[in-house]
Amino acid sequence: GENVEQHPSTLSVQEGDSAVIKCTYSDSASNYFPWYKQELGKGPQLIIDIRSNVGEKKDQRIAVTLNKTAKHFSLHITETQPEDSAVYFCAAGGPGTYKYIFGTGTRLKVLA
Amino acid sequence: GAVVSQHPSRVICKSGTSVKIECRSLDFQATTMFWYRQFPKQSLMLMATSNEGSKATYEQGVEKDKFLINHASLTLSTLTVTSAHPEDSSFYICSAGQINYGYTFGSGTRLTVV
Repeated sequence: GENVEQHPSTLSVQEGDSAVIKCTYSDSASNYFPWYKQELGKGPQLIIDIRSNVGEKKDQRIAVTLNKTAKHFSLHITETQPEDSAVYFCAAGGPGTYKYIFGTGTRLKVLA
Repeated sequence: GAVVSQHPSRVICKSGTSVKIECRSLDFQATTMFWYRQFPKQSLMLMATSNEGSKATYEQGVEKDKFLINHASLTLSTLTVTSAHPEDSSFYICSAGQINYGYTFGSGTRLTVV
């Protein structure tokens, strides 16, 4: 069935460094790729998303890239700060449905 | 932006009792809402899709008689965990979608069955 692989599962970076999280999806019909940040004891919050007609999207320190041919998409966080520490989930969704497949999550720790 | 409110945030109940969790879309109408379960340090597992005015669609392996879902209005879906047991203890999260805007998640409910 469809699945989304996410790597790494944990990531520690020094404050100010960049962090990159990668996801690979299997369903070639997927056309929407959101990224969520989840802090302890809270629900996931959408931080950025990208659609299949776009290769890259940026919002301040956060960017997402998409390679449709390879079925890869990545989250890039620059100038990381301690408050960026959280679990990040990628997801992939198909046309006409909100039934998204989530990655397994990446626990990001930004060391001060 | 879209806001989804989920209550309660925490609940402790005794084995054998039932617990109801509410999910409300505050500033938009949601014909479809979703219920997830999340175990510690794991990803979100979709339990069911809640459809306004019709029966919920459950994922494989999810007992529909145990996890009752009601979506009586365009802004409210409820999940009732019936005859709860300690193994039902988990973090339950709802979400609602808008066309072209993706999901918005609720803040989650930590259920502990003792």
